[in-house]
Amino acid sequence: DAKTTQPPSMDCAEGRAANLPCNHSTISGNEYVYWYRQIHSQGPQYIIHGLKNNETNEMASLIITEDRKSSTLILPHATLRDTAVYYCIVRAPYGGATNKLIFGTGTLLAVQP
Amino acid sequence: DTGVSQDPRHKITKRGQNVTFRCDPISEHNRLYWYRQTLGQGPEFLTYFQNEAQLEKSRLLSDRFSAERPKGSFSTLEIQRTEQGDSAMYLCASSFRAGNTEAFFGQGTRLTVV
Repeated sequence: DAKTTQPPSMDCAEGRAANLPCNHSTISGNEYVYWYRQIHSQGPQYIIHGLKNNETNEMASLIITEDRKSSTLILPHATLRDTAVYYCIVRAPYGGATNKLIFGTGTLLAVQP
Repeated sequence: DTGVSQDPRHKITKRGQNVTFRCDPISEHNRLYWYRQTLGQGPEFLTYFQNEAQLEKSRLLSDRFSAERPKGSFSTLEIQRTEQGDSAMYLCASSFRAGNTEAFFGQGTRLTVV
């Protein structure tokens, strides 16, 4: 699976949009971009995933560049409860035989009041 | 609550003792995963089951570690002769078999070996 690069930490003011970048310059044509987050002392939580088109759900939006070498996760109105480590993961369809996730160290997003 | 359940949430054990953790996946999920997470790191894959079959094991899973999933339902992870380096959060996740479906994680079991 392709390696991803994320900033180690970011701050965001409560109520503002949080834009979390991820670089995946070696992504293959059939690999998806997934985002998970992990709130302190909890298990990771799925947020969103996409292949090449922008995606939106009730939690966030995912913007993938046309060349697919980078993406941005957008939390439109960050709250204090969004403070967490956010992981960007690229994965082949069906994750290979196992569908396993390969996590990096993620971005610690601190939402400030 | 119909999410992934792990028990216990916390375990403190003396070095050299054996410990066993349990994971109850979401009932209709046939894929089950174990991950380990140390402080400041992302979760690392340990092993994977499809139904009752253990189909992949990471090289992180030493001979002291064994996992089972009898009858394809709950799973157990046993660590024999624990070492201080085994101290970590052990996470269980489950998912459907096919497609680009997301994995659902439990709250984890935090192991401290003293």
